Amino acid sequence: DGGITQSPKYLFRKEGQNVTLSCEQNLNHDAMYWYRQDPGQGLRLIYYSQIVNDFQKGDIAEGYSVSREKKESFPLTVTSAQKNPTAFYLCASSPRDRGRMEGYTFGSGTRLTVV
Amino acid sequence: GESVGLHLPTLSVQEGDNSIINCAYSNSASDYFIWYKQESGKGPQFIIDIRSNMDKRQGQRVTVLLNKTVKHLSLQIAATQPGDSAVYFCAENAGGTSYGKLTFGQGTILTVHP
Repeated sequence: DGGITQSPKYLFRKEGQNVTLSCEQNLNHDAMYWYRQDPGQGLRLIYYSQIVNDFQKGDIAEGYSVSREKKESFPLTVTSAQKNPTAFYLCASSPRDRGRMEGYTFGSGTRLTVV
Repeated sequence: GESVGLHLPTLSVQEGDNSIINCAYSNSASDYFIWYKQESGKGPQFIIDIRSNMDKRQGQRVTVLLNKTVKHLSLQIAATQPGDSAVYFCAENAGGTSYGKLTFGQGTILTVHP
């Protein structure tokens, strides 16, 4: 079955550490996205990529970095510059054709906790 | 109802009732809207979408209404079932160079009592 896989499901980070969250999709989608979700709030866009080797900042990119070396993969690094990284992180992918937005698919998320 | 701080609006209904979840959007340039359902610990699931050239769209047991004049969106769920209990989000997109950039509302918690 095609889908989008995030790993790990739970991640614990010590103060000052960088951590990388994995996101892989086999839906042949061109575009991929990272969102952050805090308790009781909606999703906020961190970074997005519409094509390989290109990506743009979203609304809350500070303290995060991404790469898009392969179409299938869009890893997110949470750096030590991110002062409040504890949150639920969601990766998504979509076709570039907005007429098919029902194909905008989310992964099951990674819950990051600073210890 | 309106949300205050981190408290999400909540809606409690009895099984079999119809549910109406509301959303106010902010960007006048948004021309595409999606409703998502999110269960605890999972990613959002697509429910239904609507473009700004429409004011109503129906799916299976769900209907979305769009009022561009007051920038308001609603999701109606018919014959609500316990499995419908989740957090519901609306999302908007303005297209063009912002393709794929969804702006999400805060969400509404729906609880369905058997």
